[in-house]
Amino acid sequence: DAGVTQSPTHLIKTRGQHVTLRCSPISGHKSVSWYQQVLGQGPQFIFQYYEKEERGRGNFPDRFSARQFPNYSSELNVNALLLGDSALYLCASSLHLNTEAFFGQGTRLTVV
Amino acid sequence: GQQVMQIPQYQHVQEGEDFTTYCNSSTTLSNIQWYKQRPGGHPVFLIQLVKSGEVKKQKRLTFQFGEAKKNSSLHITATQTTDVGTYFCAEPVRGNAGNMLTFGGGTRLMVKP
Repeated sequence: DAGVTQSPTHLIKTRGQHVTLRCSPISGHKSVSWYQQVLGQGPQFIFQYYEKEERGRGNFPDRFSARQFPNYSSELNVNALLLGDSALYLCASSLHLNTEAFFGQGTRLTVV
Repeated sequence: GQQVMQIPQYQHVQEGEDFTTYCNSSTTLSNIQWYKQRPGGHPVFLIQLVKSGEVKKQKRLTFQFGEAKKNSSLHITATQTTDVGTYFCAEPVRGNAGNMLTFGGGTRLMVKP
């Protein structure tokens, strides 16, 4: 079985641009969460979706948005990119809301 | 906001030595999860502790949850080079009817062969 897949794996963007990151959860998993991991730190929670509805939101500006599709895949969108948005963006899926999280390999975003 | 603090930040050990990382919270934790992230990799779930005073073992890894559910530890016996990575504790925090994970800062383990 495929694990959590994220695309793209690496991305370079310019300040002010917009980016869309994609995530496909493990088959059968209905919950997808997004995390930002800055180098040398632990992952920081951004969003959680369950059954296509937003169920949790972390302390991130409105430039960050996400959605979950009927097939449970998800997109994370970031507008007006800042240098400080450079990080590894991790997607995690879980069977339900409070079960263990399985992380994808992440998308490494560099903003220049 | 809720925070889990991990110590130490870094630990260098000689292969065969033991290693321990500690996770502390100022508030009572509902439960605690542990993850391992290899260099250049992604966090991988190791275990979840729920009960006060719980102790769980996975081969050379021993996980403990404090009696007051405010701290937890991960102990590795006789480290191997394959143990290299960053170990994170994480607390599921309920918010907006969902569950988000609040991660500690992690302990980076380096093992010298």
